[in-house]
Amino acid sequence: GAGVSQSPSNKVTEKGKDVELRCDPISGHTALYWYRQSLGQGLEFLIYFQGNSAPDKSGLPSDRFSAERTGGSVSTLTIQRTQQEDSAVYLCASSLAGEDTQYFGPGTRLTVL
Amino acid sequence: QKEVEQDPGPLSVPEGAIVSLNCTYSNSAFQYFMWYRQYSRKGPELLMYTYSSGNKEDGRFTAQVDKSSKYISLFIRDSQPSDSATYLCAMKRRSSASKIIFGSGTRLSIRP
Repeated sequence: GAGVSQSPSNKVTEKGKDVELRCDPISGHTALYWYRQSLGQGLEFLIYFQGNSAPDKSGLPSDRFSAERTGGSVSTLTIQRTQQEDSAVYLCASSLAGEDTQYFGPGTRLTVL
Repeated sequence: QKEVEQDPGPLSVPEGAIVSLNCTYSNSAFQYFMWYRQYSRKGPELLMYTYSSGNKEDGRFTAQVDKSSKYISLFIRDSQPSDSATYLCAMKRRSSASKIIFGSGTRLSIRP
């Protein structure tokens, strides 16, 4: 079946603009994660959705970052008033409830000029 | 100090060599250990998963965990150019609600 998909694959924006990044998880996966990967850095956890539970937002770096998940499926990560330090690859992953194996999408490469 | 330390490399070895990739960690509560492989411009994919000390083998890959030393390794035998990628170690506590903590990744290049 289809894997995790993310769009757009690349996004170039100007400092101060808002951006929306989309993630389509694997069908049936109730857990969804967002990570940020900067050059030479590991994956930085941002936010975690599990079913209808309140999301774990503990990794969001500032209040400019927010995410939602509609209908328990598609998720959107929004970054408001983008800064140059927001430039990174944003990765989405999904998994079955209670499973540790996460399946990653190809990521969105965000460049803030 | 980071919870998980991993040498970023890059590491370049000739085809056919044995590769050793390593991570150290500081949190003794970590119980599950994983290795992910990430090709350029792709998302990471799970390569190996283990939860006990000792060795776990899968084809040309062997994952080794030494909990007493807080040290994990991934060995690749008979390395191939197609193994060229970034390898990330990852680990988590026993609780199903705990997050996976990733190392920064080691960039590996296998020379034909």
